[in-house]
Amino acid sequence: DQQVKQNSPSLSVQEGRISILNCDYTNSMFDYFLWYKKYPAEGPTFLISISSIKDKNEDGRFTVFLNKSAKHLSLHIVPSQPGDSAVYFCAASPGGSQGNLIFGKGTKLSVKP
Amino acid sequence: DAGITQSPRHKVTETGTPVTLRCHQTENHRYMYWYRQDPGHGLRLIHYSYGVKDTDKGEVSDGYSVSRSKTEDFLLTLESATSSQTSVYFCAISVGSGEQYFGPGTRLTVT
Repeated sequence: DQQVKQNSPSLSVQEGRISILNCDYTNSMFDYFLWYKKYPAEGPTFLISISSIKDKNEDGRFTVFLNKSAKHLSLHIVPSQPGDSAVYFCAASPGGSQGNLIFGKGTKLSVKP
Repeated sequence: DAGITQSPRHKVTETGTPVTLRCHQTENHRYMYWYRQDPGHGLRLIHYSYGVKDTDKGEVSDGYSVSRSKTEDFLLTLESATSSQTSVYFCAISVGSGEQYFGPGTRLTVT
């Protein structure tokens, strides 16, 4: 039973255009949502997060939108660059003291020049 | 760079042998985690620690044990490795607000 779902295994976008990566969740008690980026043979790196009390957070080319009623969040990358090509993981924090994260299965983004 | 190292980075071992993976942090964070990453599964939590000698199980803890005798080191042990434990293992630390920083990973192959 997946609590965090990324339904698109892959996404291909042209350089300069917008990339939109989607994530759905089932647990309304999650308090933070995060996006991680992962290159091959490296550990995931933190990209951007959003608190459950907000609906948008922006950091440079990256914006995360949270729609609590739909239990949906999305990551927008504008403009997309070839260096953005990686696997993107959506993650959610259940709150509480243990601080663990629940991850989606990832979406592989390819940005073509 | 959150000062997290993992050793070894690559290991090939035979079924039935014990294996220990090490995670080392330099920043004195209280919470540490072990995840495994497999195709089609994302990252799944194996065990975590909330202080020296304080550990608890995650989603996929069967066949694994952990120990934390010092704040900076978190060890993951496969008591008797099986082929289903072939995976990439990541250690992470928590820095608050749900945010975690990950080590570079250990690729383990069990033959």
